[in-house]
This record gives sequence, C-alpha cells and structure tokens, in this order.
Amino acid sequence: QVQLVQSGAEVKKPGASVKVSCKASGYTFSTYTMYWVRQAPGQRLEWMGWINAGTGNTKYSQKFQGRVTITRDTSANTAYMELSSLRSEDTAVYYCARINKWELPPYFYFYMDVWGKGTTVTVSS
Amino acid sequence: DLQMTQSPSSLSAFVGDRVNITCRASQSISDYLNWYQHKPGKAPNLLIYAASSLQGGVPSRFSGSGSGTDFTLTISSVQPEDFATYYCQHSYDSPWTFGQGTKVEMK
Repeated sequence: QVQLVQSGAEVKKPGASVKVSCKASGYTFSTYTMYWVRQAPGQRLEWMGWINAGTGNTKYSQKFQGRVTITRDTSANTAYMELSSLRSEDTAVYYCARINKWELPPYFYFYMDVWGKGTTVTVSS
Repeated sequence: DLQMTQSPSSLSAFVGDRVNITCRASQSISDYLNWYQHKPGKAPNLLIYAASSLQGGVPSRFSGSGSGTDFTLTISSVQPEDFATYYCQHSYDSPWTFGQGTKVEMK
C-alpha cells in the first residue's frame, strides 16, 4: 500500500542540525512532490518546504529560508529534511506528505493525500 | 499570508450527533480548501479536497461545503472512531496554511 515511513525521534542540542528521512513505498516516488510541515506544541501545522521528487526542484518557506534543506534520493525512494541552527522553538513533530492533484480543466486542485506518522524532534540543552 | 480560522476550537458530541466545523479564510479562496483528520500518534488523513470532494475510502458521513471565505465540514452521525482533531488547509496560493484545528471529543 502507499505509505510514507519517517525516521525515529531525535533529541538535539541548540545549535545542532537534524535530518529527518521519509521513505516512500507503493507508488512511483519521482512522479510526486513531497511537502514538509511541522507542528510545535500548541501550534498549528506550518509549511516548511517542498521538493519535486522528479526534478529535485525545491521551494522553502521564508520563515525557514537559510536553515532548511530538502533533498531526495530517487534510488532509495526517500526524501530528507535537514534543519540547522536548532533552537528550542524548533521542538515539534515534523511530517512529510505527498502532494497530489485533481484536474478539473482549466483548474488544478492540490492536496496532501498521504502523510507520514511524524518525527518528534526535541531541542534541549 | 492567508489566515485560516476554525470554529469552534473544540466540541463535545454524543455518538450519533451531527457535527459541524467551520473554517473561514481571510480572503476568498474559491474552493481551494481541504480537510484532514488527525489522531495522536498517527498520520493525518485527508477527508475532503476542493471543498466538497470526498477522498476515496472516506465514509460518506463526512461532507464538505462552502466557497469563497466560508467552509463547513459536516459529520452527519459521529462515530466513536471520528473523535479526533480536524484541520482545514487552503491551496489557493503559496504558502498553504492551516486552521488551528478543532478537537472533537466524546460527550
């Protein structure tokens, strides 16, 4: 079945980096875009960036520009999200999600139809 | 950035009740609106896309309506497995943003 399996929980010190993986199965990885969102305690879901798994093109939220890098390895059907210069406010659950679309010409509707279960990242000294 | 506001933030319901959750956009987003269900420790689950289209495999007791700035997710007869948090999310322009969530609890 179609699924996204994320790497396990991480505990990091302030200033460190974390790299979260998201392994896809059950579909052709390179034909979709992968979205990364996070949810800090008590906060709403927040977009971080996305990667076109076929071309490798990326787009990042301005909030995380310069600190986030999203990559993919098509041979491993895996996307990665690396966040650097961690601070306590980065303590959150990080999710990957597949972007799908519905075409109703001339319109396109985008949505996240498959999600990983999330990776908890705790930043603490 | 577009702001999405859900109401209520939480509600309590009996099994079998009809539940309505509202999502309001800070500007018109046509029908570029999706709804998700999220249970603790699990992957979020897409329920509705394009404001009113039911995702495959989602029970028909879930429905979505609305256009422009005001949208509603309705659960016609809430079941025990429906107690969860629900989020709306727009895909009108970048960045896509989410509502703050509505937690549906059992009364």
